[in-house]
Amino acid sequence: AQSVTQLGSHVSVSEGALVLLRCNYSSSVPPYLFWYVQYPNQGLQLLLKYTTGATLVKGINGFEAEFKKSETSFHLTKPSAHMSDAAEYFCAVSDSTDLQAGTALIFGKGTTLSVSS
Amino acid sequence: EPEVTQTPSHQVTQMGQEVILRCVPISNHLYFYWYRQILGQKVEFLVSFYNNEISEKSEIFDDQFSVERPDGSNFTLKIRSTKLEDSAMYFCASSGQSLRGQFFGPGTRLTVL
Repeated sequence: AQSVTQLGSHVSVSEGALVLLRCNYSSSVPPYLFWYVQYPNQGLQLLLKYTTGATLVKGINGFEAEFKKSETSFHLTKPSAHMSDAAEYFCAVSDSTDLQAGTALIFGKGTTLSVSS
Repeated sequence: EPEVTQTPSHQVTQMGQEVILRCVPISNHLYFYWYRQILGQKVEFLVSFYNNEISEKSEIFDDQFSVERPDGSNFTLKIRSTKLEDSAMYFCASSGQSLRGQFFGPGTRLTVL
């Protein structure tokens, strides 16, 4: 069965510093991978996704993630953190080849990102 | 930009009572989902719904749960007899035909006393 592990439940960085949020997955078939962000009192917002093609994917707000099959990883990065990036970040996997078929997303436990000035 | 909405934002109920959580998916989406997150735990899939029937459900989604699309806009999750362990944040999501992913609502926090 597929699963997602997010290393570090809480990451703290200074404003302007590199953000690195780690995600490892297990899947029996080529995965589709997602990062979602949740700001306080809001829903889950899709940051970026990997389905096929280029392994480095760019998302909103300057975030990007790289799919590394050999490492079964999909780490999220941003070169320079802003105060507004403080939120909870969730990595998710779907191992269906048909995203249209109501396929469940399997989520990690989430990582809370704190940004200090 | 279109968004998924959920009502109420917070529901408090007594154990054994029935609750209905409501969601309005994005209007041109065809696939609808419910997830839940117990405090401090992972977001967990409950059920997906397409063409007026359940397309997939998890082992969490037992007989006390049901889903319905009573009209052209609402998508509901009913819990027939709530238990203390049903206390959680419940998220509704919807998706369309493309590979754009699932769009989530802000959630309903259910507290069972």
